[in-house]
Formats: sequence, C-alpha cells, structure tokens
Amino acid sequence: DIVMTQSPDSLAVSLGERATINCKSSQTVLYSSNNKNYLAWYQQKPGQPPKVLIYWASTRDSGVPDRFSGSGSGTDFTLTISSLQAEDVAVYYCQQFYSTPYTFGQGTKLEIE
Amino acid sequence: QVQLQESGPGLVKPSETLSLTCTVSGGSMSPYYWTWIRQPPGKELEWMGYIYSGGSTNYNPSLKSRVTISVDTSKNQFSLKLSSVTAADTAVYYCARLSPYCTSGSCISPGWFDPWGQGTLVTVSS
Repeated sequence: DIVMTQSPDSLAVSLGERATINCKSSQTVLYSSNNKNYLAWYQQKPGQPPKVLIYWASTRDSGVPDRFSGSGSGTDFTLTISSLQAEDVAVYYCQQFYSTPYTFGQGTKLEIE
Repeated sequence: QVQLQESGPGLVKPSETLSLTCTVSGGSMSPYYWTWIRQPPGKELEWMGYIYSGGSTNYNPSLKSRVTISVDTSKNQFSLKLSSVTAADTAVYYCARLSPYCTSGSCISPGWFDPWGQGTLVTVSS
C-alpha cells in the first residue's frame, strides 16, 4: 500500500496569512506515461463529508476559490491557502489514486490563530 | 446534480453483518464507479472498495475477506455488507462516486471521489 504522511498534524494561521500543508507518499504517484500526479486534496468541515479541492495534484475543482493551490510532483506535495479566510477552518486530507487500495493522509487540522 | 444518501442500521452487534445502502439521485449510475469509504471517530479515512455500474468490484485487501459491494442500477442503489464486525468497525460510513474526468470526448474515472453522501454513523456494540 502507498502510505501518505501529512505534516503538520495541526496548524494555526492568522486570518489573511498563508497556510501550507505538506503531503508525502511512500512511493511515487507520478504516472510517467501521461506525466500526471495521481493525488487529490480534500477539505472536511465538522459534520460534513470531505469535499474535493484539487486533483492531479494541482488542478482546482470547479468552484474552488483560487486562494487554494496545489503543487509538487513524485512523492512530495503541498496544499497552499494564500490568504486564510474564516471559512477555511477544516481538516485537510491528501489522497493518492495511483494504485489501489486508494489511501489518505492522516489529516491536517487548520485553525485560526 | 448527482446526490447520494446512505441508509441502514446505526447499531450492529459484534460478529454480525453490517449492511448499508446508498441511493443515487439526480443522475444515472452508468457508466460510473461507486465506492464506500469509512472514517472511525477521530481517525483518518479508509477506502473500502468500489463497484462499477456493470458489477465488477475492487476491494481493499485489508477488508477483502469481509466486504461485499453490490449494485442495483434499476433501483439506483448500491450496497455494502461487512461481515463479522467488531468495535473496530465503528465508523462514519460514506458512499461516493469516483469522479469522471472527460477530455476530448472520452471519460475515465481516475480515482478521486466526488460527490459524497453525508455519511452515516454505525456503532458496533452489544
């Protein structure tokens, strides 16, 4: 199984500041045949299911604000929120879909400082 | 807009079989992949398996001997059965669709999940 490890486990950031969450996979999730990274990011607010924010490591899903961006390749990835808003308080997960079983990171809890 | 809703018992006794159904509305089940994901309280998400609308399945090996996913496209439903449950199976169970990705007129389902149901808490306890 591909193990996904996120850092940090929790993060407190001031409103308007940048938030950065990291995700590392135990093996590459970059498919050489199409040069795509098989990684997604989700946001989960309390009492709600996760919502996909980004797929292919850097493609924002429809309707996702452009303050959310994804970067990285191979085994190291980053989710950046450029200017934290109050509604961004949530737990964020990365997920690999390079191979089954699909696996998630342990989550990063983002709070307002 | 496709919506999913889980249903089933919220309490299951140890050693029994957990059974849940996901009802899909607002769209066809074909030709998509449908999946179950669970989240134990305070823990990370675990992918359990998926089923194609045509019936083929892929299960997480960690659960393979206990899990069965089936589909009934005539009812717009797919179901989860997990046998021999223990307290460790207590979790919020989500159903979801593998999101289709379409380019140049053809579509694939690479493996991210969208949309999700709201989730249902299943507690295993005597």
